[in-house]
Amino acid sequence: QVQLVESGGGVVQPGGSLRLSCATSGFGFSGYGMHWVRQAPGKGLQWVAFIRYNSSHKYYADSVKGRFTISRDNSENTLYLQMSGLTVEDAAVYYCVAFHDTKGEAFWGQGTLVTVSS
Amino acid sequence: EIVMTQSPATLSVSLGERATLSCRASQTVSSNLAWYQQKPGQAPSLLIYGVSTRATDIPARFSGTGSGTEFTLTISSLQSEDFAIYYCQHYNSWPPVWTFGQGTKVEIK
Repeated sequence: QVQLVESGGGVVQPGGSLRLSCATSGFGFSGYGMHWVRQAPGKGLQWVAFIRYNSSHKYYADSVKGRFTISRDNSENTLYLQMSGLTVEDAAVYYCVAFHDTKGEAFWGQGTLVTVSS
Repeated sequence: EIVMTQSPATLSVSLGERATLSCRASQTVSSNLAWYQQKPGQAPSLLIYGVSTRATDIPARFSGTGSGTEFTLTISSLQSEDFAIYYCQHYNSWPPVWTFGQGTKVEIK
């Protein structure tokens, strides 16, 4: 059974930092590229970041570049997102996603809510 | 940067009727086009990938078509569980950057 469980969300002040985690099981995590996608309350989906299966390549949306860092620990089957310089525009539910285009697989976690407020 | 535009924003459909959702790309895209369904309080779930291939366990009433810049998701006969928000997604092969449409809400007429 595939599981992705995000954690680490919460309330943070503008300018603050937060580290999100995504613990996975039930699929070959070390062979999958992983993404973070966010969704502001009542809004649509926005891609945030990607990390290759072996961490060799990382890509970020322009809106988070230089403030967010994606990483992974294949020995722990866990994905991370280090967020700093948070603004109100970063408030959203953050989802981790395992995606394999040729297999037609997209495994999503249930999301973790980040609230940015003073 | 590719922009994905979905229409309409809201679609009112009766049970058993056909629903047709559109997605337009700002430039020609390859076949890396997917559709997701999202119900309230839930994460999105993959319906269609590669423009027209149904994901595992997706019913045959869902179908995807299109090419170039114009893509369509058709639900042939709406069931009660199909009322949700649907997103199209362009997933670039490399770099693996994703772009989502703004969503179409399918509601009960």
